[in-house]
Amino acid sequence: GAVVSQHPSWVICKSGTSVKIECRSLDFQATTMFWYRQFPKQSLMLMATSNEGSKATYEQGVEKDKFLINHASLTLSTLTVTSAHPEDSSFYICSAPTSGRGDEQFFGPGTRLTVL
Amino acid sequence: SQQGEEDPQALSIQEGENATMNCSYKTSINNLQWYRQNSGRGLVHLILIRSNEREKHSGRLRVTLDTSKKSSSLLITASRAADTASYFCATDATGANSKLTFGKGITLSVRP
Repeated sequence: GAVVSQHPSWVICKSGTSVKIECRSLDFQATTMFWYRQFPKQSLMLMATSNEGSKATYEQGVEKDKFLINHASLTLSTLTVTSAHPEDSSFYICSAPTSGRGDEQFFGPGTRLTVL
Repeated sequence: SQQGEEDPQALSIQEGENATMNCSYKTSINNLQWYRQNSGRGLVHLILIRSNEREKHSGRLRVTLDTSKKSSSLLITASRAADTASYFCATDATGANSKLTFGKGITLSVRP
């Protein structure tokens, strides 16, 4: 299947700092990518849709000023958690649909964020 | 609200047995996808079934889709200890522009 990578795989930061997470589609172009958050023993919750060349669209209840998304190119989307707090600690996962390959959607390996 | 709802929520079987997991959803869909997640890891795409398909096979996996009942099932035959993981169904609803909605997941434990 298609490959989606994320960097870093884990990060620990102090409360109040900002953290950037990268999501890359390695062998296909993705005009759209999705960002999810997953708390322990729970399912994935969609946070936002990252659109190449335009603003991201956020799901209800997700603060766009706190979770900044930039879709810099057809293979890269970044999620910046600004002024992180302990309640932002979670597993963040990105995905990209592979239009033209049957609409399968592939996920990155995830980034474990721990805010102290 | 959850689009996909899997059952059972937890399943424990002996190696070699078959595992059947079910998923129900609420709206019309373009496709339904099944994923596996090992603890603390990302999601592995298992299989996609389109709304106009009724059954698909991939190795030891068999997926069915009944759009009239808005339900799908994932069958893993001849299970192995390595199949131990959480399994999620995710629906690509009609008009959702590829946004997936996930069920709560099923925790499968395969005892060696």
